[in-house]
Amino acid sequence: QSVLTQPPSVSAAPGQKVTVSCSGSSSNIGNNYVSWYQQLPGTAPKLLIYENNQRPSGIPDRFSGSKSGTSATLGITGLQTGDEADYYCGTWDSRLSVVIFGGGTKLTVL
Amino acid sequence: QLQLQESGPGLVKPSETLSLTCTVSGGSISSSSYFWGWIRQPPGKGVEWIGSIYYSGTTYYNPSLKSRLTMSVDTSKNQFSLKLSSVTAADTAVYYCATVTQVRMGLNWFDPWGQGTLVTVSS
Repeated sequence: QSVLTQPPSVSAAPGQKVTVSCSGSSSNIGNNYVSWYQQLPGTAPKLLIYENNQRPSGIPDRFSGSKSGTSATLGITGLQTGDEADYYCGTWDSRLSVVIFGGGTKLTVL
Repeated sequence: QLQLQESGPGLVKPSETLSLTCTVSGGSISSSSYFWGWIRQPPGKGVEWIGSIYYSGTTYYNPSLKSRLTMSVDTSKNQFSLKLSSVTAADTAVYYCATVTQVRMGLNWFDPWGQGTLVTVSS
């Protein structure tokens, strides 16, 4: 069981918007920065968001990140079937001295 | 742009040592901008950070693996390596290497990742 809690699955129709939550505590999300990763089936994870809300070059602005208190959220607008993937949040835990990831959320585009 | 490629045995016997190497291309492993990390993913499960290393040899290890873990860097070959001793079936996973941008403790991210290599622990 991960220190960071994500919903196991979310779903929405093509063209719609979906959010993925990542809940932690003051020792991780509350005082550190969050990154988000997309893992398409059979591939390695890929960075989507870093430093809570920054997008690497090449990541479309349909993807956004935010943080409030001890929770972070990934938002995806204009859903496409190609967005079907597992999504992971990650951060540093200052108490455990470890990089931690959420358990992952499977996105289904109906 | 940086590219990373893992290599090593796909099958390791229980109680033996798992050894993997990551070859970095498109840039120097001696860059002051990056750490170099290992992450693993058991079949059908989430990802777990193993550890990170700087070109100078400074390491950060996952406390849950620290007693069995050794990471090293070979700047002459632009490679970094992982050794995990006394493996069990629980160490069966896809192992990824990745570039780690670490601005400071608490502000870091993994990008890019290697394609990953499956290591099975079985007799």
